[in-house]
Amino acid sequence: EAGVVQSPRYKIIEKKQPVAFWCNPISGHNTLYWYLQNLGQGPELLIRYENEEAVDDSQLPKDRFSAERLKGVDSTLKIQPAELGDSAVYLCASSLDSLSYEQYFGPGTRLTVT
Amino acid sequence: KQEVTQIPAALSVPEGENLVLNCSFTDSAIYNLQWFRQDPGKGLTSLLLIQSSQREQTSGRLNASLDKSSGRSTLYIAASQPGDSATYLCAVTNTGNQFYFGTGTSLTVIP
Repeated sequence: EAGVVQSPRYKIIEKKQPVAFWCNPISGHNTLYWYLQNLGQGPELLIRYENEEAVDDSQLPKDRFSAERLKGVDSTLKIQPAELGDSAVYLCASSLDSLSYEQYFGPGTRLTVT
Repeated sequence: KQEVTQIPAALSVPEGENLVLNCSFTDSAIYNLQWFRQDPGKGLTSLLLIQSSQREQTSGRLNASLDKSSGRSTLYIAASQPGDSATYLCAVTNTGNQFYFGTGTSLTVIP
């Protein structure tokens, strides 16, 4: 069974440029999470989807970050414009549903903003 | 807001040694606690999940304990191996299935 797939794995951009990350969750998983992990820190939740609906986006900086999960499968996280402080690893995870506490994580996208 | 702390931040031990990693949390009203492993450049892999009603869970050389009332958990690794080198993260879940992660312990097992 394929795990959570993320692309790209690495991205280097200049500040003020836009960037997008893509996530394909495990087949059949209804709940999808985007996390931000700064160096030396644990992941912090940015947004959680139940199917197509964003049920928890309270930690998402909405002035520059946006996300979507069309058709309740793949998801895209976008930053526009990127700032130096956005340099981090962006992790995607999925779980069977909101009642399941077993989350499966992708390898992450490491973003460097110069 | 739930605060999760892990001590030590880094640990280096010789191969074969037993070791303990610590995790503490401020709000004892948790649903469960998980220990994850993270290898460089990779995502997180769940090691052990302890429900709030449980005291411990074991998997192979790993044993995790939970003392919810005191807000603490430990991960015990027996007979450590170089392949155990990684960052270990604990995470607690409160209502709403929100994960709160600690900052992690970076473990190095020296051959």
